[in-house]
Amino acid sequence: DAKTTQPNSMESNEEEPVHLPCNHSTISGTDYIHWYRQLPSQGPEYVIHGLTSNVNNRMASLAIAEDRKSSTLILHRATLRDAAVYYCILRDGSARQLTFGSGTQLTVLP
Amino acid sequence: DAGITQSPRHKVTETGTPVTLRCHQTENHRYMYWYRQDPGHGLRLIHYSYGVKDTDKGEVSDGYSVSRSKTEDFLLTLESATSSQTSVYFCATRTSGSSGTDTQYFGPGTRLTVL
Repeated sequence: DAKTTQPNSMESNEEEPVHLPCNHSTISGTDYIHWYRQLPSQGPEYVIHGLTSNVNNRMASLAIAEDRKSSTLILHRATLRDAAVYYCILRDGSARQLTFGSGTQLTVLP
Repeated sequence: DAGITQSPRHKVTETGTPVTLRCHQTENHRYMYWYRQDPGHGLRLIHYSYGVKDTDKGEVSDGYSVSRSKTEDFLLTLESATSSQTSVYFCATRTSGSSGTDTQYFGPGTRLTVL
C-alpha cells in the first residue's frame, strides 16, 4: 500500500466540526482511500472509504482532493466518544492486508 | 458489527509455554487475519487466511502458526512464547469483494503478557 502522512495529534471542542487531513502524494489511480478509527482499548473500526468523489455516511464525510493527493475526514459534530486514533489507509485490489501508519490521535475537549 | 469474538481476552503466561488464541466469527466471511499491536509499531499482520485450510504469512510471522479448520474459527498459536510476543492481538475478517473496496472488521483484542 502507498504511504500516507497524517498529523500525530489534533484537538477539537465538543459539538464542533473536525477536519482530519491525510496526504498521499504517491497514490495510484486504483487506490481507494479508507479511514478507520480505534477507540481506546478497542479494535479498529471502519469509518468510510472513497475513490474520487466525496462520500458521506452516518459516521462522517470524506472529502477527496481533485488530484487525489490528499483527503480530509470530516466529523460534523465531534462528541467525546469520537476521541480515538484515526487512520488513513490506501488500498488497491491486490493488497491482502491493511497497512496501518501511526494515525492521528484526536482529543475532544468538553 | 461482524460478530467477532476473541478468547481469551487477557492472558498471562510464562516464557517457553505454548499459547493458543482463538478468533470466532459469525458472518461467514472468507478472509480472516491476525494482527499484533505494539507501541511505536501500530498494527502489523502476523498471518491471514483466505479460506478453510488456506493460510499465508504476514510481515511478522516468525514464532507464530495458525490453523483454520472451519470458516468461523481462526486459531493463532505461539509454540513457545517469548517476552517479545507480549502484545495486544487483534483478529479481523473481511468480506470477499475486491480488496480495494472491502471493509475489515476487527475483534475486541486479546492482551497477552509473557513473563
